[in-house]
Amino acid sequence: EPEVTQTPSHQVTQMGQEVILRCVPISNHLYFYWYRQILGQKVEFLVSFYNNEISEKSEIFDDQFSVERPDGSNFTLKIRSTKLEDSAMYFCASSAGGPLNTEAFFGQGTRLTVV
Amino acid sequence: GQQLNQSPQSMFIQEGEDVSMNCTSSSIFNTWLWYKQDPGEGPVLLIALYKAGELTSNGRLTAQFGITRKDSFLNISASIPSDVGIYFCAGQTVGGDKIIFGKGTRLHILP
Repeated sequence: EPEVTQTPSHQVTQMGQEVILRCVPISNHLYFYWYRQILGQKVEFLVSFYNNEISEKSEIFDDQFSVERPDGSNFTLKIRSTKLEDSAMYFCASSAGGPLNTEAFFGQGTRLTVV
Repeated sequence: GQQLNQSPQSMFIQEGEDVSMNCTSSSIFNTWLWYKQDPGEGPVLLIALYKAGELTSNGRLTAQFGITRKDSFLNISASIPSDVGIYFCAGQTVGGDKIIFGKGTRLHILP
């Protein structure tokens, strides 16, 4: 069964360093998302991406964040200069799109720890 | 901004009991989704609802999309130990490309 895959599963980085989180969405999906979940809290929307551009983003997604689809399969989230409060699980999701295909399927997440 | 109010926050039930949880919002959503999250895992889609009033089942799970498009409930019948986890409602915004999550209902099953 097709699934969203994320790498790495766990990333530890020093404050101020750049990190890139990688995702391979489901192959025929057109909408891509990044979400964040701080430990014990709800899943928070960061950004959605469609047709090679950001279609919507939240207040969390500031200038330190960027997304890219460098080729036909990968979707990446870059945090330029990590802060302690960026520590969280980051989930990538994708959906096929269209009026009856809007449900998003999530990857297993990348646990980012900023020290 | 748009928010989903999910209740209860947590539930402690006996194995075999039925469970009900719900979500409400002051905003209308196009789609309501119910996800389950196990510890250290990503959310897994349980049920997707597209039409106001729609009632959909998936095994022991039943969910309904409210007529006003501002609420939804999820029922689990005859709970079993593997039902333990956090259940999230989520809604796709009208005219938008994001899905907003509720704060989750943590389900505990007592032996």
